[in-house]
Amino acid sequence: DSGVTQTPKHLITATGQRVTLRCSPRSGDLSVYWYQQSLDQGLQFLIQYYNGEERAKGNILERFSAQQFPDLHSELNLSSLELGDSALYFCASSVGSGDSPLHFGNGTRLTVT
Amino acid sequence: QKEVEQDPGPLSVPEGAIVSLNCTYSNSAFQYFMWYRQYSRKGPELLMYTYSSGNKEDGRFTAQVDKSSKYISLFIRDSQPSDSATYLCATLEYGNKLVFGAGTILRVKS
Repeated sequence: DSGVTQTPKHLITATGQRVTLRCSPRSGDLSVYWYQQSLDQGLQFLIQYYNGEERAKGNILERFSAQQFPDLHSELNLSSLELGDSALYFCASSVGSGDSPLHFGNGTRLTVT
Repeated sequence: QKEVEQDPGPLSVPEGAIVSLNCTYSNSAFQYFMWYRQYSRKGPELLMYTYSSGNKEDGRFTAQVDKSSKYISLFIRDSQPSDSATYLCATLEYGNKLVFGAGTILRVKS
């Protein structure tokens, strides 16, 4: 068990809808990262927060947004969902920002129908 | 050219074999190197973390980094069926994002 908790484990929704994925980092970790994993794309970095502030941005669509709250948990919001958004969404956390290994949760499997 | 290249496999070996998994990277600024193991429908699990050239051993696993040739390896001794998973290499430039290889599927046959 990595100590990173993600909810929900599974999510099935329709195109055009909006969903929120939640992540609680390991105790003591200040950084939270979001990754998307699909069969043909591998692990794609979306965004990183460090102690409540956005630190780095990857290939995150404008329809997606995230935030990290004062208690350090994070939420990833996906809106105007399309079929192609179906994927595994992983949250990871690390102690620092930029030199610490990442510890991953078990992901949220999103299916858009 | 991808920043981190990794042969996707699948790699199939008999139980007890020594497994060698490899990655190459292009950015000489990468300073930290990791290997993750991912079972189906689970999150990647950190196996090894190193930031220097040379070998690092942990049980049956040895990570090797050669910065001069930009080559990283993971060796698994006495492989077991429970080692069957996807193995991902990852590299990190200080202050930057973690870059993953595509992952190698390993199958250990009993």
